[in-house]
Amino acid sequence: DAGVTQSPTHLIKTRGQHVTLRCSPISGHKSVSWYQQVLGQGPQFIFQYYEKEERGRGNFPDRFSARQFPNYSSELNVNALLLGDSALYLCASSFGFSEAFFGQGTRLTVV
Amino acid sequence: AQSVTQLGSHVSVSEGALVLLRCNYSSSVPPYLFWYVQYPNQGLQLLLKYTSAATLVKGINGFEAEFKKSETSFHLTKPSAHMSDAAEYFCAVTTKRNRDDKIIFGKGTRLHILP
Repeated sequence: DAGVTQSPTHLIKTRGQHVTLRCSPISGHKSVSWYQQVLGQGPQFIFQYYEKEERGRGNFPDRFSARQFPNYSSELNVNALLLGDSALYLCASSFGFSEAFFGQGTRLTVV
Repeated sequence: AQSVTQLGSHVSVSEGALVLLRCNYSSSVPPYLFWYVQYPNQGLQLLLKYTSAATLVKGINGFEAEFKKSETSFHLTKPSAHMSDAAEYFCAVTTKRNRDDKIIFGKGTRLHILP
């Protein structure tokens, strides 16, 4: 079975640009969460979606938004990129409220 | 609110020696606790989890952890370190009591294995 897949794996953007990160959950998983991991730190919770409904939001500015599609895949959007947005963005999927499985992440570099 | 504190950002052990990575948690309700491992340029892999059943939890790759409520600890151990254990380890907590099941991670401990 395929695990959680994220695309792209690496991305370089310029300050002020917009970025869209994509995540496909494990088949059958209806919950998708997004985390930001800055170098040298643990992952920080950004969003959780379950059945296309936002279930939780972390302490991130409104420049960050997300959505979940009918097939349970998800997009994370970040507007007006700042240098501080450079990080590894991790997507996790779970079946309802259970163990979370993480993807390999998208490494975003803002220059 | 929940939080996790990992003691020691770097830990070095010799190959074959005991691995002990320390984690203390804070939670106002009974917690679910996890240890994740992250290899360079990789995502997170679950090593083990505590979900209010047995207090001694066995995980993959020979790791285990013991939940001690009185000490609010969930330390990770492995009897004999292997070179392949070199990685970053994260302790994490969630409660599953809210509408979301966000996971709160510690800052991580980088494990170095000395030959």
